[in-house]
Amino acid sequence: DAGVIQSPRHEVTEMGQEVTLRCKPISGHDYLFWYRQTMMRGLELLIYFNNNVPIDDSGMPEDRFSAKMPNASFSTLKIQPSEPRDSAVYFCASSFQGIVDTQYFGPGTRLTVL
Amino acid sequence: AQSVTQLDSQVPVFEEAPVELRCNYSSSVSVYLFWYVQYPNQGLQLLLKYLSGSTLVESINGFEAEFNKSQTSFHLRKPSVHISDTAEYFCAVSVTSGNTPLVFGKGTRLSVIA
Repeated sequence: DAGVIQSPRHEVTEMGQEVTLRCKPISGHDYLFWYRQTMMRGLELLIYFNNNVPIDDSGMPEDRFSAKMPNASFSTLKIQPSEPRDSAVYFCASSFQGIVDTQYFGPGTRLTVL
Repeated sequence: AQSVTQLDSQVPVFEEAPVELRCNYSSSVSVYLFWYVQYPNQGLQLLLKYLSGSTLVESINGFEAEFNKSQTSFHLRKPSVHISDTAEYFCAVSVTSGNTPLVFGKGTRLSVIA
């Protein structure tokens, strides 16, 4: 298996623009997680899905952030409009059996909002 | 809610020397504990985890961690480090009841010096 795939790897955009981050989990994994990593706040869980259904989105910072999982092999995290404080590395991870099962992380998307 | 404290943000150590990365957690209920490692420009990978049973858990590359309930700690140790162990190490905790996502510490950057 190719592992968790994220695209793009790097994204530079201007404040106010819409940003869409994409994730393909490992086939057969029922759980998908979106994290944000910054120097100041460390690694934060934004939202997670089980069988394509959002379970806990309490970590989503505000209404500008939204996430979808239309099928078992694809998820998006959208920021609209983007702000400089959204600059971070965004990770997608998936796991097979549950939220404490081993999580497999993608390589991340480094987002810079100017 | 549970929390994790990694007391050392950076740990420099000479090659072949022993190392201990400290992790303390706070929780009013039983926990699961994890160590993840992040190599430069990569996503996190599970290093080892404690779910139940023996309080001493080991990884395939020589790391070990011991769950100490009375001290609420899960310190990571290796008797002799290699240059290739240079990475960021994250301790994480989840409670055993319910579907509670992992909470990660801020991370400890281990730098192995030749």
